[in-house]
Amino acid sequence: ETGVTQTPRHLVMGMTNKKSLKCEQHLGHNAMYWYKQSAKKPLELMFVYSLEERVENNSVPSRFSPECPNSSHLFLHLHTLQPEDSALYLCASSQDLPGPYGYTFGSGTRLTVV
Amino acid sequence: AQSVTQLGSHVSVSEGALVLLRCNYSSSVPPYLFWYVQYPNQGLQLLLKYTTGATLVKGINGFEAEFKKSETSFHLTKPSAHMSDAAEYFCAVSLGNAGGTSYGKLTFGQGTILTVHP
Repeated sequence: ETGVTQTPRHLVMGMTNKKSLKCEQHLGHNAMYWYKQSAKKPLELMFVYSLEERVENNSVPSRFSPECPNSSHLFLHLHTLQPEDSALYLCASSQDLPGPYGYTFGSGTRLTVV
Repeated sequence: AQSVTQLGSHVSVSEGALVLLRCNYSSSVPPYLFWYVQYPNQGLQLLLKYTTGATLVKGINGFEAEFKKSETSFHLTKPSAHMSDAAEYFCAVSLGNAGGTSYGKLTFGQGTILTVHP
């Protein structure tokens, strides 16, 4: 399979649950990103991993915990979330220095916190 | 550093009418410019991009955009809207070849929702 694949596509979780979002890319990229997209808000960059090291963390609450075990996989571990965390979570990948190529996005995980 | 502003969070057109989505940018070095499209509950898909060379670039689905350095703009157009064009469109800018360690890192605009009426 090519491109960027995110699983699950939809997730409903209670505020006391622990769940994980998964992102996988088969493009040979070595940088990966988590974005949060809420209704009526701009795209929010949450985390950036480059060569499997976290290089950016934009003041994201500790209830979101990223993990990048290798350059092809990225996880977002979720625990004790709040209803306002309900959103579309997008994963993207690129070369470490993307240059003129931009990012490739997955289809997202629609998260609902109840 | 770079930033991008999309003028108009919502644009509504009739089917067959011209589509014009506006994007202005600022960049400390010559930029790379991108338009992405997002259909409901989907990720962002690259529509077109400007990196170097010809300032009028053509993308998928009949869209095109023109890089105007003097106006720091990269507006997206399509001569005749189709119902299937209804989506959210994002303009993005990145630092070009002189951007050092930020070479190509994208900054996105706020998005413009395009509605197409029959």
